[in-house]
Amino acid sequence: EAGVTQFPSHSVIEKGQTVTLRCDPISGHDNLYWYRRVMGKEIKFLLHFVKESKQDESGMPNNRFLAERTGGTYSTLKVQPAELEDSGVYFCASRQSGYGYTFGSGTRLTVV
Amino acid sequence: DQQVKQNSPSLSVQEGRISILNCDYTNSMFDYFLWYKKYPAEGPTFLISISSIKDKNEDGRFTVFLNKSAKHLSLHIVPSQPGDSAVYFCAASNSGSARQLTFGSGTQLTVLP
Repeated sequence: EAGVTQFPSHSVIEKGQTVTLRCDPISGHDNLYWYRRVMGKEIKFLLHFVKESKQDESGMPNNRFLAERTGGTYSTLKVQPAELEDSGVYFCASRQSGYGYTFGSGTRLTVV
Repeated sequence: DQQVKQNSPSLSVQEGRISILNCDYTNSMFDYFLWYKKYPAEGPTFLISISSIKDKNEDGRFTVFLNKSAKHLSLHIVPSQPGDSAVYFCAASNSGSARQLTFGSGTQLTVLP
């Protein structure tokens, strides 16, 4: 079974540019989550999809962040325009209801 | 305000000895606790968990202890092995919140050969 796939693994962009991160969850997992770890601190929740619907987006920092999960399969997280404080590692995780999380390897975003 | 705290950013232990990683939480609504291990350039992987109705859960070399009155949990690794060197994250959830996890900031464990 393929795991959770994220790409790119690394992205370096200039302040003000746009970046789109992608996550392919494990097939059949209805629950998809985005988390972020900034500057070696705690891993923080961003949002939760159930299929294509946003169940909880209370962790999204501001309206520069837009997440989508069209068709309930893969998800994208767009940052537009990127700011320096957006640098960090963005993790995606998927979960089948009643079971635990599987995390992807993350996308390391550096905004310069 | 951090609801899950890991106050030791790093810990070094000799191979074969016990590693004890600590975690404190403030939210009394948390009823499920997990430990994740993370290697560089990889995502967190699940290690062990405990429900609030228990005070101990054991899986091989790994044991998690929960002290609800103190809002404290710990992970014991016995015996420690060099391959255990990684960042360990404590996480907590409220079963009513669709399993959203609240993480601590992690503890870097180094097991010295």
